[in-house]
Amino acid sequence: SQQGEEDPQALSIQEGENATMNCSYKTSINNLQWYRQNSGRGLVHLILIRSNEREKHSGRLRVTLDTSKKSSSLLITASRAADTASYFCATDDGNNRLAFGKGNQVVVIP
Amino acid sequence: ETGVTQSPTHLIKTRGQQVTLRCSSQSGHNTVSWYQQALGQGPQFIFQYYREEENGRGNFPPRFSGLQFPNYSSELNVNALELDDSALYLCASSLVKANPGELFFGEGSRLTVL
Repeated sequence: SQQGEEDPQALSIQEGENATMNCSYKTSINNLQWYRQNSGRGLVHLILIRSNEREKHSGRLRVTLDTSKKSSSLLITASRAADTASYFCATDDGNNRLAFGKGNQVVVIP
Repeated sequence: ETGVTQSPTHLIKTRGQQVTLRCSSQSGHNTVSWYQQALGQGPQFIFQYYREEENGRGNFPPRFSGLQFPNYSSELNVNALELDDSALYLCASSLVKANPGELFFGEGSRLTVL
């Protein structure tokens, strides 16, 4: 069953702006991950945050995790046209079996 | 480029037929998982194979079955196809003990059932 739920589900921004997506989940997790998918192709792993971590950075990406609220956010700073994609959060039960949310479509306008 | 390859990339079947999808995992990865992604939805976990044994299954009926081979490649078989089986089928490989959590996905096999 779907675990994560992203909010908002569609986001349109100008190049150079920041994009923020939120994700909530229902059960306890080992870690939470974010993936990107370009136009119905395969998913690309972006970042993983473990349940005992609160914030993590990778390049222009910043992920936060609040286990008390069962929520996570993904921030993409200084967005580029190439960031146009769907973004999914996924929770991991500790055995690499992921439960994905419905996805968040981001369009970056040049 | 993740090193995970899937075949075929696209295929069309009719209701009631059977289909086999194939996946070659990234070199050295011993775990393969399959996901179904309906249009506009997030991927749904079908099952996972570790060292040739099924290691967890999602909420899918028995007509969805799989195999993992000694070289860690894998197959997904779906019998008695239904219209709702139309989806993108994604294979993902990982090395559980060394890097828990990160999955490497192939580009998927898009199945259309008419």
